[in-house]
Amino acid sequence: QKEVEQDPGPLSVPEGAIVSLNCTYSNSAFQYFMWYRQYSRKGPELLMYTYSSGNKEDGRFTAQVDKSSKYISLFIRDSQPSDSATYLCAMTSGDAGNMLTFGGGTRLMVKP
Amino acid sequence: DAGVIQSPRHEVTEMGQEVTLRCKPISGHDYLFWYRQTMMRGLELLIYFNNNVPIDDSGMPEDRFSAKMPNASFSTLKIQPSEPRDSAVYFCASTRRARETQYFGPGTRLLVL
Repeated sequence: QKEVEQDPGPLSVPEGAIVSLNCTYSNSAFQYFMWYRQYSRKGPELLMYTYSSGNKEDGRFTAQVDKSSKYISLFIRDSQPSDSATYLCAMTSGDAGNMLTFGGGTRLMVKP
Repeated sequence: DAGVIQSPRHEVTEMGQEVTLRCKPISGHDYLFWYRQTMMRGLELLIYFNNNVPIDDSGMPEDRFSAKMPNASFSTLKIQPSEPRDSAVYFCASTRRARETQYFGPGTRLLVL
């Protein structure tokens, strides 16, 4: 079993829909949680960064962390075709330098 | 800033040949990471450096892979000899400090025939 699990999708939604992306993990030492967005043939870029449990909002994006359930989510409100990409969750304990463990990514398609 | 720069962007080679991938991190970033991305295994960390010193290379698949960072602005990942199963996209990333955002380069798409 992988340390970080993520549904690969693809997830197809109409423009304007609310999107929910999720990851589960097994390592209770993880404390820093990130969401990266990766467009086709590009490198991942950081979307959201959260520490420990709780919510964080940035524009149309909200990240949630539930450490008790080992479950993190990314919500996208009013989704746009430009949001079509692969979304990768990543996490680290923070103790091992800056080594990140990534989920496999969820491919999202937002249709106009 | 130009961001993380990687070269070449695409590489096609034959099995058994030596492959060298290059990376220039963002100026002032003390950490440099090499990742490999495949459909089957996703994004995997191969090795990372702090202040030009290799810190953890536990992700390097085998002795055919080696990485160096001779100075703060340049790193190489070498595969010798290359095999078809090495075909993947190789990313370089850098960050200023531990636990800060990692900035990824555009990647090198490697195909070993």
